[in-house]
Amino acid sequence: DVKVTQSSRYLVKRTGEKVFLECVQDMDHENMFWYRQDPGLGLRLIYFSYDVKMKEKGDIPEGYSVSREKKERFSLILESASTNQTSMYLCASSLIQPLYNYGYTFGSGTRLTVV
Amino acid sequence: SQQGEEDPQALSIQEGENATMNCSYKTSINNLQWYRQNSGRGLVHLILIRSNEREKHSGRLRVTLDTSKKSSSLLITASRAADTASYFCATDRPLQGAQKLVFGQGTRLTINP
Repeated sequence: DVKVTQSSRYLVKRTGEKVFLECVQDMDHENMFWYRQDPGLGLRLIYFSYDVKMKEKGDIPEGYSVSREKKERFSLILESASTNQTSMYLCASSLIQPLYNYGYTFGSGTRLTVV
Repeated sequence: SQQGEEDPQALSIQEGENATMNCSYKTSINNLQWYRQNSGRGLVHLILIRSNEREKHSGRLRVTLDTSKKSSSLLITASRAADTASYFCATDRPLQGAQKLVFGQGTRLTINP
């Protein structure tokens, strides 16, 4: 069974801390994505990566960075956490081109609270 | 920019009834996908329909796509309590090296026993 695993389900961090959110997939997928989900705003793409060491900005990259040193792992970094980064963070992966009936595979999400 | 927009925002029906959710989008697409999200969890891929397809079935799910109207619908037949979740449509947008999915804000479906 294919899986995307996010390291933490719940996380509480203080303002100004550097925060690492980890995501690992075991499907040999080329593409990996980080979204945040907020009430009334839906899912918004932060960053994505289509290959090792490659990264591209999504719609809301400000305040975030990413790292993809290995194909299976995609990390989201909050350089200096702020309260407006309190959110549900969702990692996803996919093949380069979706096969006939496959889309993205999502992790279970990390609910981050910045206090 | 928001691509898919679901309608209604919330839907409450009795168990056994059919549930229909709609999605509209603005630009041309390669495919449209539907996802389910149980409360506080990640999204689960349900079904993908390509732009050259008009209808697709998977178990109790039926998806239609009308590219001329830029709309899609998801029908869940014979609903069950376990179908209670939020449902999202997502349309693809080609990006450098990857296809990006743009999600709507979802329809919250409640199945009453």
